[in-house]
Amino acid sequence: DAKTTQPNSMESNEEEPVHLPCNHSTISGTDYIHWYRQLPSQGPEYVIHGLTSNVNNRMASLAIAEDRKSSTLILHRATLRDAAVYYCTLAYSGAGSYQLTFGKGTKLSVIP
Amino acid sequence: DTGVSQNPRHKITKRGQNVTFRCDPISEHNRLYWYRQTLGQGPEFLTYFQNEAQLEKSRLLSDRFSAERPKGSFSTLEIQRTEQGDSAMYLCASSLVQLNEQFFGPGTRLTVL
Repeated sequence: DAKTTQPNSMESNEEEPVHLPCNHSTISGTDYIHWYRQLPSQGPEYVIHGLTSNVNNRMASLAIAEDRKSSTLILHRATLRDAAVYYCTLAYSGAGSYQLTFGKGTKLSVIP
Repeated sequence: DTGVSQNPRHKITKRGQNVTFRCDPISEHNRLYWYRQTLGQGPEFLTYFQNEAQLEKSRLLSDRFSAERPKGSFSTLEIQRTEQGDSAMYLCASSLVQLNEQFFGPGTRLTVL
């Protein structure tokens, strides 16, 4: 299964942009890149996903490298509510399940 | 609240006992997933249902684990003869269309003494 690698932790000042990197050098051509975040004692929450092109939604932007071996989640203005563990995951299509393969994630701290 | 619900939220059991967890997905979602998460790790895929059919199971899933989804609605995950290594958060997620977002429940935290 393809794996993802992320920094263990990152810090950001409130209201500044945050760039969260992810490496997935063994990604296959059909794997989608998904990002989820998780607050303590809660299940993961979907943030954004993409295949090849950069994507934007109300929560964040996703920049995908041309070779698809890395991606970056961009939070345009970090708030205290964005403090969470962010997971870069690959949606693996085994038997059509599109199961998510999670790494260890990046713990984002937001400094007021 | 129309999100994914899981019961119980916490379960403490003694080694060797059987436990069963329930997941109620979002009503129109036909895909249901079970994941397991240990401290400091990301969730790990266990099994997947499309409607009532269990279509995939992780190679790591012990034969002590069994899951059902009768009538394609709620799902149960049973662990027989629990071991201390089974202590983890068990997460359920559902989705409507492949590749779209999965909606996760709050999880059931299992502690095996």
